[in-house]
Amino acid sequence: DAGVIQSPRHEVTEMGQEVTLRCKPISGHNSLFWYRQTMMRGLELLIYFNNNVPIDDSGMPEDRFSAKMPNASFSTLKIQPSEPRDSAVYFCASSNDRGGVSPLHFGNGTRLTVT
Amino acid sequence: KQEVTQIPAALSVPEGENLVLNCSFTDSAIYNLQWFRQDPGKGLTSLLLIQSSQREQTSGRLNASLDKSSGRSTLYIAASQPGDSATYLCAGASSNTGKLIFGQGTTLQVKP
Repeated sequence: DAGVIQSPRHEVTEMGQEVTLRCKPISGHNSLFWYRQTMMRGLELLIYFNNNVPIDDSGMPEDRFSAKMPNASFSTLKIQPSEPRDSAVYFCASSNDRGGVSPLHFGNGTRLTVT
Repeated sequence: KQEVTQIPAALSVPEGENLVLNCSFTDSAIYNLQWFRQDPGKGLTSLLLIQSSQREQTSGRLNASLDKSSGRSTLYIAASQPGDSATYLCAGASSNTGKLIFGQGTTLQVKP
């Protein structure tokens, strides 16, 4: 299996622009998680899906952030409009469950820089 | 609310040394605890997962323990090697929410 695939690996954009991050989870996994990592705050859970349904989006910082999972093999995280404080590494992870008995598998992340 | 703390933030040891990384959590109703490794510029790799009914898990030179009553977990690395140099993160899944809450990590450097 290729593992969790994220694109792009790097994204540099100007403040105010729309940013879309993409994730392909491991085939057969039914839970998908979006995390954000910064030096100051570490790893923060933004949102997670179970069977393509958003279960908890309480970690989404603001209305500028939105996430979708139209099918079991694809998810997007969108930021519109982007701001410099959104600069971080965004990780997607998938699991066979909500992280109960199956380990979480992470992608290599998207490094976002907003200037 | 679950909070996870890792001490120390950084650790440097000579090759061959046995070492222990510490993780503490505030909510004893923990569902499971996972240890991850993160290399620079990479995602996280799951090392060990301990369910709440278990006390420890072993994989090769790694052994992780879980003590729910004291709110602690340790990751023991035997005979450390330079290739073990990385950041190690622990994360707790709460019984209530199913979310994984991460510690800030311990950055380990093993010197040849």
